[in-house]
Amino acid sequence: DQQVKQNSPSLSVQEGRISILNCDYTNSMFDYFLWYKKYPAEGPTFLISISSIKDKNEDGRFTVFLNKSAKHLSLHIVPSQPGDSAVYFCAASVSGGSYIPTFGRGTSLIVHP
Amino acid sequence: DAGITQSPRHKVTETGTPVTLRCHQTENHRYMYWYRQDPGHGLRLIHYSYGVKDTDKGEVSDGYSVSRSKTEDFLLTLESATSSQTSVYFCAINHRQERTEAFFGQGTRLTVV
Repeated sequence: DQQVKQNSPSLSVQEGRISILNCDYTNSMFDYFLWYKKYPAEGPTFLISISSIKDKNEDGRFTVFLNKSAKHLSLHIVPSQPGDSAVYFCAASVSGGSYIPTFGRGTSLIVHP
Repeated sequence: DAGITQSPRHKVTETGTPVTLRCHQTENHRYMYWYRQDPGHGLRLIHYSYGVKDTDKGEVSDGYSVSRSKTEDFLLTLESATSSQTSVYFCAINHRQERTEAFFGQGTRLTVV
């Protein structure tokens, strides 16, 4: 039973436009959420995170939104660039436990020039 | 970059043979994890460690064992490799205790023939 779900396996966006990647979770104990980016033949790299006490966190072109009542978070990339083409993983964890991130299945983002 | 080294980076082995993958960190972090990445499944936790000689099972631990005799090394062993264990294996470490921004190694591609 998936606790973190990324229901869109892929997303295609034009350069300069907004990319919106979505993630849903089922475990109400999750209180820390992360996005990772992965290029082929490399390990995932941390992109941005958000604590459950916030509903928005920004870092340059990347913004993560959290809707706790809907158990939904999204990653916005504005403007999208060809170098953003990668697989994006959503992850969630419970603070104070073993700090284990539980990952979604990933969304492959392709940004067309 | 977090100091994480996985070895080997690539390995081809025969069904029924034992295989050990190594994860070495230079960050002195307490938590270490082994994940496997498969198409359509994202990143799934195999085993994790929360200190020297302290380990526990993850979501897909069957057929795998781990050992952590030193803070810096976390070993993943496939006692008798099967074709279903063909995958890309990632080691991760927890960067800070109060956060869960796990940092990943570059991965080991294992093929069981």
